Amino acid sequence: DVKVTQSSRYLVKRTGEKVFLECVQDMDHENMFWYRQDPGLGLRLIYFSYDVKMKEKGDIPEGYSVSREKKERFSLILESASTNQTSMYLCASSLGPRREKLFFGSGTQLSVL
Amino acid sequence: GIQVEQSPPDLILQEGANSTLRCNFSDSVNNLQWFHQNPWGQLINLFYIPSGTKQNGRLSATTVATERYSLLYISSSQTTDSGVYFCAVRYYQGAQKLVFGQGTRLTINP
Repeated sequence: DVKVTQSSRYLVKRTGEKVFLECVQDMDHENMFWYRQDPGLGLRLIYFSYDVKMKEKGDIPEGYSVSREKKERFSLILESASTNQTSMYLCASSLGPRREKLFFGSGTQLSVL
Repeated sequence: GIQVEQSPPDLILQEGANSTLRCNFSDSVNNLQWFHQNPWGQLINLFYIPSGTKQNGRLSATTVATERYSLLYISSSQTTDSGVYFCAVRYYQGAQKLVFGQGTRLTINP
């Protein structure tokens, strides 16, 4: 089975801190995604990447950046955390074009105080 | 952009009952997936089903792409089926991103 691993299950940070959320997949998938999930708003795409060093903005990229230096790892960066970035963050991956079944990690619940 | 609507928003059933969850979408799609999010937040991919019918144990799914809907059937429900069910679609060739519906919250009581 595909394994998508997120580095932390729960994270508490202070306003203004720089925050790194890490995601690793073990199945040589080309595509990787970062979503956030909020009550009443569903899952919203922040950024995605379909190759090493490639990135595309999703629907809500403001306040976030990403890094994909290696194929298996996709990092989400909050440059200066704010309270409205308190959310559940979900990483996902898929094999590539025409093989797009999506696999999710277990999520990181981030609280920004 | 595409609209993805799931119904019903909430469903409460007794163990052993059958259920049908619906996903309507407003444009042509070439990728549709169903997910189950368990009470601990983990999203599990149930089906990749852009068209046709698939079955996996007590679960089955049917997508009628020409009529822009998909159905997820759960038979003989168990308490472990509780959680939120999402459908997600990709609506134009080349785009790598999925658009998620708002989900159906299913509660199975013992």
